[in-house]
Amino acid sequence: DIQMTQSPSSLSASVGDRVTITCRASQSISQYLNWYQQTPGKAPKLLIYAASSLQSGVPSRFSGSGSGTDFTLTISSLQPEDFATYYCQQSHSSPRTFGQGTKVEIK
Amino acid sequence: QVTLKESGPVLVKPTETLTLTCTVSGFSLRDSRMGVTWIRQPPGKALEWLAHIFSNDEKSYSTSLKNRLTISKDTSKRQVVLTMTNMNPVDTATYYCAREQDGYIYGRFDYWGQGTLVTVSS
Repeated sequence: DIQMTQSPSSLSASVGDRVTITCRASQSISQYLNWYQQTPGKAPKLLIYAASSLQSGVPSRFSGSGSGTDFTLTISSLQPEDFATYYCQQSHSSPRTFGQGTKVEIK
Repeated sequence: QVTLKESGPVLVKPTETLTLTCTVSGFSLRDSRMGVTWIRQPPGKALEWLAHIFSNDEKSYSTSLKNRLTISKDTSKRQVVLTMTNMNPVDTATYYCAREQDGYIYGRFDYWGQGTLVTVSS
């Protein structure tokens, strides 16, 4: 199975901050990498697919980059509604796997 | 409008078999671009992928759980069913079904059900 490792596990930031979350795959997954946002009590929401493609309806302050084994999710200017947990997920092969999550908290 | 809705028991006893149903609308289970996936999340923990099924009946399972899982679909009923045998308290979780779009090309889970909390307790 492909292991996905996110860092950091949590971070504290202020509204307006630029936030970067990284995800590393245990082997090359090309650009088969997705990012999701989950707020408490809700189902996850797709933000980014194919490493850098913005899902329809997702604000442009979210962006993704990377290929191979190293990927990044960036929030250019953190908004109050962005405080949530973020997960990466690979779709290179089955079984699909998720990272352990990064919780973004208010500083 | 694409929707997915999970249904099943809220409480199961240890050693019992769990059967969950995902009823979909707004897309067809015959669509070659679409699959349905089951994912779970124990309270306060991370997402865990369980299984998926595609229109051609291709299936895949979590390596750690494959001996306990079975996924199937009934296209006419628009339903995908997941069974998990020998339930244990550690299987207590919210279980989600999700649509996987373009599963063979940059697959992603673009629509999710609301989730159903299953508690395993005697």
